[in-house]
Amino acid sequence: DAGVIQSPRHEVTEMGQEVTLRCKPISGHDYLFWYRQTMMRGLELLIYFNNNVPIDDSGMPEDRFSAKMPNASFSTLKIQPSEPRDSAVYFCASSLGSSYDQPQHFGDGTRLSIL
Amino acid sequence: GQQVMQIPQYQHVQEGEDFTTYCNSSTTLSNIQWYKQRPGGHPVFLIQLVKSGEVKKQKRLTFQFGEAKKNSSLHITATQTTDVGTYFCAAPEGNNRLAFGKGNQVVVIP
Repeated sequence: DAGVIQSPRHEVTEMGQEVTLRCKPISGHDYLFWYRQTMMRGLELLIYFNNNVPIDDSGMPEDRFSAKMPNASFSTLKIQPSEPRDSAVYFCASSLGSSYDQPQHFGDGTRLSIL
Repeated sequence: GQQVMQIPQYQHVQEGEDFTTYCNSSTTLSNIQWYKQRPGGHPVFLIQLVKSGEVKKQKRLTFQFGEAKKNSSLHITATQTTDVGTYFCAAPEGNNRLAFGKGNQVVVIP
């Protein structure tokens, strides 16, 4: 079975540009999570969806960040306008059932560099 | 929110030796998960512990959940170069979230 698929794998862009990260969860999984990983702050949950509905976006840094899940097989994380401090690895993960007792399956991540 | 603290943050381990990494919480946990992230890779689920005092083994890896369900440990015997990476523990917190620790970065010395 295919795992969580993220694109692009790498993104380098100049500050002020719009960045869109994409994620395809594992088929049948009903939870989708977006994380950001940096050396300083570790792995941070940005937002998660259950059955395509955003449940908790308290981790989204500010209004420049937005996430959507138009259907069960696709989600996007958008940063507009991007800033150098947004440089990080962004992971998408999915799980079947609640994270309380189900493992999360991570994609390979998008390594984002904002110049 | 729930926080899990991992110690140590970094370890250098000689190949062939054993090591342990710890995960602590100030509150009782319903369960705890362990993940491993190889350098340049993504977190990969290893195991979940649910019961008080539970011990689970995966080859050279032994996972333990404390009796009070406030701490957990991962012990690796006969370390190999393939054990290099960062080991994370994660515990549920409110609203169906998983709170990840900062991780224990392990470097294996050949």
